[in-house]
Amino acid sequence: GQSLEQPSEVTAVEGAIVQINCTYQTSGFYGLSWYQQHDGGAPTFLSYNALDGLEETGRFSSFLSRSDSYGYLLLQELQMKDSASYFCAVREGSQGNLIFGKGTKLSVKP
Amino acid sequence: GAVVSQHPSRVICKSGTSVKIECRSLDFQATTMFWYRQFPKQSLMLMATSNEGSKATYEQGVEKDKFLINHASLTLSTLTVTSAHPEDSSFYICSARGDSLRYGYTFGSGTRLTVV
Repeated sequence: GQSLEQPSEVTAVEGAIVQINCTYQTSGFYGLSWYQQHDGGAPTFLSYNALDGLEETGRFSSFLSRSDSYGYLLLQELQMKDSASYFCAVREGSQGNLIFGKGTKLSVKP
Repeated sequence: GAVVSQHPSRVICKSGTSVKIECRSLDFQATTMFWYRQFPKQSLMLMATSNEGSKATYEQGVEKDKFLINHASLTLSTLTVTSAHPEDSSFYICSARGDSLRYGYTFGSGTRLTVV
């Protein structure tokens, strides 16, 4: 079957660093993406990894190891506005359909 | 960057009626759009892949006669929920891909459907 596993909840304090892990098992793999979703809002794109290694975009970094079917999102210098749900997603097919993990709810405390 | 406009943002309808949700790519052409459904505190579930000029591809368990998808142009895809029931109440979101995968998929703002 197809599955993406990520922790359901994470809590951290402002200024800290948080890593959200994602392991996947899908029939196809064309890349791992991360999306942020605030309550009541639509997902917004954060990062994309097609190849192994680390991608850095400002305070957010994402890592992929295809041999381990594993990736993570690293959030640095946490801010209150980072409180949201974070989804990993695998582009499974050549058409581009995304399979989403169940999401990790990040709560940032003062 | 790529922008996807989705309307309406919220709709309340009576059981048995139909609701149409529109999704437009504003500054790019989207040959493929995706429709997702999200129940409260759950993940996004792909419902169907909409291809311009051809029939949509539905995921297993999604009734194609109930969720009608039309992708008549490169910038517009519509999802019509027919004969809506309270259990269809959900957050429906469309998405499309811009020019480069490096910029990910752009999502519409979503439609909160409540069937009463």
